[in-house]
Amino acid sequence: SQQGEEDPQALSIQEGENATMNCSYKTSINNLQWYRQNSGRGLVHLILIRSNEREKHSGRLRVTLDTSKKSSSLLITASRAADTASYFCATDAGTASKLTFGTGTRLQVTL
Amino acid sequence: SQTIHQWPATLVQPVGSPLSLECTVEGTSNPNLYWYRQAAGRGLQLLFYSVGIGQISSEVPQNLSASRPQDRQFILSSKKLLLSDSGFYLCAWSNGRSSYNEQFFGPGTRLTVL
Repeated sequence: SQQGEEDPQALSIQEGENATMNCSYKTSINNLQWYRQNSGRGLVHLILIRSNEREKHSGRLRVTLDTSKKSSSLLITASRAADTASYFCATDAGTASKLTFGTGTRLQVTL
Repeated sequence: SQTIHQWPATLVQPVGSPLSLECTVEGTSNPNLYWYRQAAGRGLQLLFYSVGIGQISSEVPQNLSASRPQDRQFILSSKKLLLSDSGFYLCAWSNGRSSYNEQFFGPGTRLTVL
């Protein structure tokens, strides 16, 4: 079953703009992770935020986590055409070494 | 450094034929291993995972099976493919000794069943 639901399903922005994607989940988690997938390729790990953290940065990425609302957001600042990809959140509930992936947000960055 | 390989990259098979997809990991020992399926434009569905040789957990009852004959080898199989088995199959590994379960994915196999 898919615990995470991303919002929006698709997002189209112009280069230089910021992109914000949201993820909601249902059960308690140990950590939440964001992954990126270029079309027809495998997923690449972007960033991990632990359940006791509220915000984390990595380069142009900023992730927030609100465990009371069971939600997370991924902000990509100053987007580039190369950021065009699908982005997935994944939750680790700490059971049996599994991740549960969301449905993904397809981001299109145009010149 | 660690690398993960999957083959073949693409596969077209007739309904009722057998299937064998292979995944191998290099540069680490005793990894957790995972098989996912992704339908077009959708998220990932966990099919099987393994925390050790010969240990397989199945997530979704279906026409597929998995085996782990060696520490860094994970195989996805079917005796008779169905049309609904078409999809993009991804193998992943994680460090079994880490508490954070960051996963590293292979390039995937696109399977089309006709």
